[in-house]
Amino acid sequence: DVVMTQTPLSSPVTLGQSASISCRSSQSLVHSDGNTFLSWFQQRPGQPPRLLIYKISNRFSGVPDRFSGSGAGTDFTLKISRVEAEDVAVYYCMQATHFPHTFGQGTKLEIK
Amino acid sequence: QVQLVESGGGVVQPGRSLRLSCAASGFTFSDFGMHWVRQAPGKGLEWVAVIGYDGGKKYYADSVKGRFSVSRDNSMNTLYLQMNSVRAEDTAIYYCAKSYLVAAILGSWGQGTLVTVSS
Repeated sequence: DVVMTQTPLSSPVTLGQSASISCRSSQSLVHSDGNTFLSWFQQRPGQPPRLLIYKISNRFSGVPDRFSGSGAGTDFTLKISRVEAEDVAVYYCMQATHFPHTFGQGTKLEIK
Repeated sequence: QVQLVESGGGVVQPGRSLRLSCAASGFTFSDFGMHWVRQAPGKGLEWVAVIGYDGGKKYYADSVKGRFSVSRDNSMNTLYLQMNSVRAEDTAIYYCAKSYLVAAILGSWGQGTLVTVSS
């Protein structure tokens, strides 16, 4: 199975500053069709997960442009610019290129 | 808008069976692949299964293969997860999710239903 490793597992950040979360896969996530099915999800306390970013860098409907994704192959990054209080959540990366699909362990974003 | 409502959760004894349902509305259900994802209490997300738009393709996590079965009724706009031979480690909130553009993108999620396996 593809192992997804997120760092850090906890990220204290000051309001208005930026935060970055790294996600590394144990093998390439490039699909045979040329796409890379790497997504990022946000899960606020007591809520279901919410899709933020799909195929590395595409923002889902309604997601603020403060959220951006980048990367390729096995290394990916979620960046949150100008962090707001509502961004407090756990963030997960997920690969859906290979079966079984797998998630990272999650990164908890906290406000300092 | 897209609405996904899971049901069927509850307390079940180890070794018994349970069927979860996910009622979909707000979109053409028969056009989209659907997923089940679970989350044990206080833990991270674990992908469970996916079924193609027409029910033809199904894939499972190793942890549930041979015990769980995903199916759908496109005439009823409903997704199912049949859980057999449940174990304590199956205790979790079970979410259904609708694919977006392609089956490999989980675009919209339900609120989840809690399954507790306990004697």
